[in-house]
Amino acid sequence: NAGVTQTPKFQVLKTGQSMTLQCAQDMNHEYMSWYRQDPGMGLRLIHYSVGAGITDQGEVPNGYNVSRSTTEDFPLRLLSAAPSQTSVYFCASSYMGGPYEQYFGPGTRLTVT
Amino acid sequence: AQSVAQPEDQVNVAEGNPLTVKCTYSVSGNPYLFWYVQYPNRGLQFLLKYITGDNLVKGSYGFEAEFNKSQTSFHLKKPSALVSDSALYFCAVRPVIYNQGGKLIFGQGTELSVKP
Repeated sequence: NAGVTQTPKFQVLKTGQSMTLQCAQDMNHEYMSWYRQDPGMGLRLIHYSVGAGITDQGEVPNGYNVSRSTTEDFPLRLLSAAPSQTSVYFCASSYMGGPYEQYFGPGTRLTVT
Repeated sequence: AQSVAQPEDQVNVAEGNPLTVKCTYSVSGNPYLFWYVQYPNRGLQFLLKYITGDNLVKGSYGFEAEFNKSQTSFHLKKPSALVSDSALYFCAVRPVIYNQGGKLIFGQGTELSVKP
C-alpha cells in the first residue's frame, strides 16, 4: 500500500494563477487534512475533512478551498495564488474516534512569484 | 488558547550522549500527545504517542518520551544519540474534547543536530 501520496512534488506559480494540489490515501482513513509548513511556525492546519462530503476550516483557510467527494481523495485548491502562499504543503490522514496517529504525505513545495 | 511550545529552536548533542527535546502544552482536559520526526525534504514520520497509563512511552528508533501531567510536558529522550538522528522534531497534541477527528496542534519544531 502506497500510504498518502501527493502531487506535484514541486510547483512554481505566478501571482493570480490557480492550481490544485492532489492528495490520496489508500488506508480507508476517515480523517484527512492539509497543513502548510513555514520556517519557525510548525505546521498550521488549513482545512480538514472527517469523511466524504464533510469539510471544515482549520487555522489558516483563507485563499484555499477543499472538497471530499471520495474517502480516498482530498484535493486542495488555490483560487488565486499570492506570494504569501509560498510554502510546503502536507496532506495527512488518520482513523477517527481514538488516539490514532496521522500519516503524512511527502509534501508539495510551492513557490508563488 | 490551546497551544504547544517547543522552547528550543535547536539542540546540539555529541554522538553517544543522551538527548532531550522539550515540549510543553497548554490544552484543556487529558490530551493525546505525539512526537513526529521530519528528515530533510520528507514528510513527517510518527515516532511515539502517549494515551494513558505509564508516563514513560517507548517508540521507534530507540526514542522514548516522558509525560509529566503536573508540568504539562512531554519531553522526547534518547539515551545515546546517533548522527542519523539529526532531523527536525515536532511535538503535537490532540485535545480529547475535539470531536473533529484527528485534529492536531503542533509545536514550532526543534532542529536536532548530532555531531560525531
